Amino acid sequence: EVQLVESGGGLVQPGGCLRLSCGASGFTFSDHYMDWVRQAPGKGLEWVGRIRTKGYSYSTEYAASVRGRFTISRDDSKSSLYLQMNSLNTEDTAVYYCSRVGGDSSGFYPFYWGQGTLVTVSS
Amino acid sequence: DIQMTQSPSSLSASVGDRVTITCRASQGSGNNLVWFQQKPGKAPKSLIYAASNLQSGVSLRFRGSASGTDFTLTINSLQPEDVATYYCLQYNAYPLTFGGGTRVEI
Repeated sequence: EVQLVESGGGLVQPGGCLRLSCGASGFTFSDHYMDWVRQAPGKGLEWVGRIRTKGYSYSTEYAASVRGRFTISRDDSKSSLYLQMNSLNTEDTAVYYCSRVGGDSSGFYPFYWGQGTLVTVSS
Repeated sequence: DIQMTQSPSSLSASVGDRVTITCRASQGSGNNLVWFQQKPGKAPKSLIYAASNLQSGVSLRFRGSASGTDFTLTINSLQPEDVATYYCLQYNAYPLTFGGGTRVEI
């Protein structure tokens, strides 16, 4: 059974930083692209970014709203995904979901999801 | 970026009704579109992928279709367990973009 467990959320002041982690199990982590998706309280879903596999040089993609401030990384030896968030502002307050991507050669989308971790940016 | 305009933002229907939700893409996105169902306090669940393919284990009451840049999710014979918010997501181009969501009530 695929399991994704996010951790590291909490309260942080504007301008601060936070690192989220996502532990994966139930599948071969190194074989799959991974995404982060967020959801502000009472709002819709927003795709944050993606990291590809070693075969694609662990390349990344980001939403414009986080590019240059957030960094996605992974440690395949630990089956873990990370989201380093810098220069946080109140608009980054959200539940952050880790997701294992599904799909085929025509395209990939978030398929398996964790339960999410809440990040609150407030003074 | 591809903008996904989803409508309506909310709807109320009766048990047994047929419900239709639409997403319009601002530019061509092929058929790389997925529909999600999200219940309160839960992570989203994929219902339909590649615009019209039903995910394994999902009720046959859910159907997806596409026509050009317009995508439709149809729920046949609405059931109480279908109360949720539904989102479309295009995955044809980066950044991936979601529709604004449709809250379905009974």
